[in-house]
Amino acid sequence: EVQLVESGGGLVQPGGSLRLSCAASGFIFSRYSMNWVRQAPGKGLEWVSYISSSSNIIYYADSVKGRFTISRDDAKHSLYLQMNSLRADDTAVYYCARTIIAVAGSLYYYYMDVWGKGTAVTVSS
Amino acid sequence: EIVLTQSPGTLSLSPGERATLSCRASQSVTSSYLAWYQLKPGQAPRLLIYGASSRATGIPDRFSGSGSGTDFTLTISRLEPEDFAVYYCQQYGSSSWTFGQGTKVEIK
Repeated sequence: EVQLVESGGGLVQPGGSLRLSCAASGFIFSRYSMNWVRQAPGKGLEWVSYISSSSNIIYYADSVKGRFTISRDDAKHSLYLQMNSLRADDTAVYYCARTIIAVAGSLYYYYMDVWGKGTAVTVSS
Repeated sequence: EIVLTQSPGTLSLSPGERATLSCRASQSVTSSYLAWYQLKPGQAPRLLIYGASSRATGIPDRFSGSGSGTDFTLTISRLEPEDFAVYYCQQYGSSSWTFGQGTKVEIK
């Protein structure tokens, strides 16, 4: 079964750090790009960060740039999000998502086909 | 950055009724970059539609997507009890992904 399981969330004080993990199983992790997406309480989904299958392409949302670092360890089938200088508005459920970038004919397709159930991060004093 | 605006914010319908959800972009979106997701509390988000109109694996055919340019639609032909949830459109562009604010489909 294709599965993603996030962990590492919790309560942290403003200015603190946290490292989220996403364990992948049921597919060849190294072949896929991955994303982190979050949902703040009562809000919609917000994209956070992207990493390509070879780790050579990395993107961040402006809201986390310079504070968050995405990485992956293909040997451990795992995706990570290092979060530093955390703020109250980083409070959210964080999801990892397998990302498809596919070519069919002349068309490129971009979408997230498998998601985890998320891990909750609360930034509060 | 392209902004996606979904309407209505909430749709109150009964099981068996048809649901029509709108996603409007602030500028033209490449159709193959447009996807729809379903989110229920405590569950993993679920991909429904990719490429604006292609159903993801295992998605019932009561779900359909259409549209192009700046206007996209997700239609649920006959609502089943398990379809009451929040739905998001999403697009990729300029090295980032953006989501609409969501449409909640609730039981009337």
